[in-house]
Amino acid sequence: RKEVEQDPGPFNVPEGATVAFNCTYSNSASQSFFWYRQDCRKEPKLLMSVYSSGNEDGRFTAQLNRASQYISLLIRDSKLSDSATYLCARNSWGKLQFGAGTQVVVTP
Amino acid sequence: GAVVSQHPSRVICKSGTSVKIECRSLDFQATTMFWYRQFPKQSLMLMATSNEGSKATYEQGVEKDKFLINHASLTLSTLTVTSAHPEDSSFYICSARVRGGNQETQYFGPGTRLLVL
Repeated sequence: RKEVEQDPGPFNVPEGATVAFNCTYSNSASQSFFWYRQDCRKEPKLLMSVYSSGNEDGRFTAQLNRASQYISLLIRDSKLSDSATYLCARNSWGKLQFGAGTQVVVTP
Repeated sequence: GAVVSQHPSRVICKSGTSVKIECRSLDFQATTMFWYRQFPKQSLMLMATSNEGSKATYEQGVEKDKFLINHASLTLSTLTVTSAHPEDSSFYICSARVRGGNQETQYFGPGTRLLVL
């Protein structure tokens, strides 16, 4: 089993709708997690850090469920510009382990 | 967020040549930088951890003699792909670790797309 797993998608979302997807991890000792956004052929850009139960930044909300070992990302009021691949990462002794990403496509 | 630059952004080279990629932290000092590789539609895979003033730490399966890392200053790490072959064609991305209190974050450079013919 991979350390960090994500549904590759794509999640096709109408503009203005809400979309949520999960990232599961296998190591229960993981302390911190991150959501990055990666546009096609670009580098990952930090979206959110999660150190406790969750985090919220504008339209984006991350929830950490330690009992079930997953972290979710919810995007409200989706914009066309939210179309991207969302990468989940866990901090493992100072190193980041990434999932393969979830593709989100927001349609007009 | 912190700014990390990478140069060059794109390289096309012949098989057998060596390619050097630079990663710089522009507005902060980074004692630790990381080098990743990403193949199409795959996740970022950590190759090595670059530590200023000491040897890099390589992940399992990454050849240290093929991927030479030098972290000579607090703002610069270099990755040299020696004797590159077509299978080394990939997207190479560096990141720099930023610590604040008990939290730490990695900020990524824009990446270098390497194509070996």
